[in-house]
Amino acid sequence: DSGVTQTPKHLITATGQRVTLRCSPRSGDLSVYWYQQSLDQGLQFLIQYYNGEERAKGNILERFSAQQFPDLHSELNLSSLELGDSALYFCASSGGQGGNTIYFGEGSWLTVV
Amino acid sequence: GQNIDQPTEMTATEGAIVQINCTYQTSGFNGLFWYQQHAGEAPTFLSYNVLDGLEEKGRFSSFLSRSKGYSYLLLKELQMKDSASYLCAVRDFQRGSTLGRLYFGRGTQLTVWP
Repeated sequence: DSGVTQTPKHLITATGQRVTLRCSPRSGDLSVYWYQQSLDQGLQFLIQYYNGEERAKGNILERFSAQQFPDLHSELNLSSLELGDSALYFCASSGGQGGNTIYFGEGSWLTVV
Repeated sequence: GQNIDQPTEMTATEGAIVQINCTYQTSGFNGLFWYQQHAGEAPTFLSYNVLDGLEEKGRFSSFLSRSKGYSYLLLKELQMKDSASYLCAVRDFQRGSTLGRLYFGRGTQLTVWP
């Protein structure tokens, strides 16, 4: 158990819909990262937050957005969903007692039908 | 940007030693990580190198040469449970912070045969 908690674990939704994925980082970690993993793409960096502020952006679509709240949990919002958005979405955190190591949550499986 | 290359697949037998290579090109280097990932599960941290040389941790060792943009992960005394994907990841430099983002290679799928 990495200490990073993600919900929901599985989600099935229809095209055009909107979903929110939630992440609680490891206790003491200030930095949260979101990654997308699909079969043909590998792990793709989406976005990073540090202590509530956006720090870095990767290959995140405009239909996707994220935020980190004062209690340091984070949410990834995916809207106008397309079939190609079906993937495993990972949250990761770092910066606390684990130091520089980035620890991953179990992921949220999103299936768009 | 980042460009990370590693072999797609490797096979080995139980008890053997396997070396998984990773080469990278990066605009700002702030550490190299190796993760293990079983299908459908979270990547789990194996090792971290930021200086040149070998880091040993039990059956796993990782080597880094920054001048060559090269790393390898060495797995000894292979076990069936070591069958997994091994991900090489490079962290970039973030001004004022050691907490840069990780860029991942596509992973090397290792199959260990009895």
